[in-house]
Amino acid sequence: AQSVTQLDSQVPVFEEAPVELRCNYSSSVSVYLFWYVQYPNQGLQLLLKYLSGSTLVESINGFEAEFNKSQTSFHLRKPSVHISDTAEYFCAVSDNTDKLIFGTGTRLQVFP
Amino acid sequence: GAGVSQSPSNKVTEKGKDVELRCDPISGHTALYWYRQSLGQGLEFLIYFQGNSAPDKSGLPSDRFSAERTGGSVSTLTIQRTQQEDSAVYLCASSIQRVETQYFGPGTRLLVL
Repeated sequence: AQSVTQLDSQVPVFEEAPVELRCNYSSSVSVYLFWYVQYPNQGLQLLLKYLSGSTLVESINGFEAEFNKSQTSFHLRKPSVHISDTAEYFCAVSDNTDKLIFGTGTRLQVFP
Repeated sequence: GAGVSQSPSNKVTEKGKDVELRCDPISGHTALYWYRQSLGQGLEFLIYFQGNSAPDKSGLPSDRFSAERTGGSVSTLTIQRTQQEDSAVYLCASSIQRVETQYFGPGTRLLVL
């Protein structure tokens, strides 16, 4: 069975500081990996995904994540965060069954 | 274009009543998913429809939960004899095909008193 672990439930950080949100997964088969973001009072939106190919994937707003098969990780990083990045971030894994298995989420709080 | 829509946006019901939650996926999307987001539980998969195939019901928490998808489009999630632990936000998502980006609706916030 697949599972996703997001060890950090909350990550407080000051504006313009770098941030890393950790995600580890367990699966016995090939996986597809996703990061979804939920801004306050909004629905879930896809931030970025890894399906195949380059292990480093980027979003349009400066986030990136690297698929590390040996460490079964898909950590999300941003070199300099903005106040508007305050949100809840969910890591998710999917195999050929298509349903998404989500982590419990990490609340990123960016302070001025 | 229109995204995934869900109705109602909020629902308050009494314990023991039945509720129906509706999801209207993005036109042309063959895959439809229901998830539940509750405090302390995170996001849980409930059920998945793909075209005319039998749905994957492996995430439904009990036989009080059921869902159908009529005409390959609109889906209804029904919870019978609601319990307080059913209180959560119920999210619907659709995707154009397998292993593609899932687009989520705004959710239905269910409160069982």
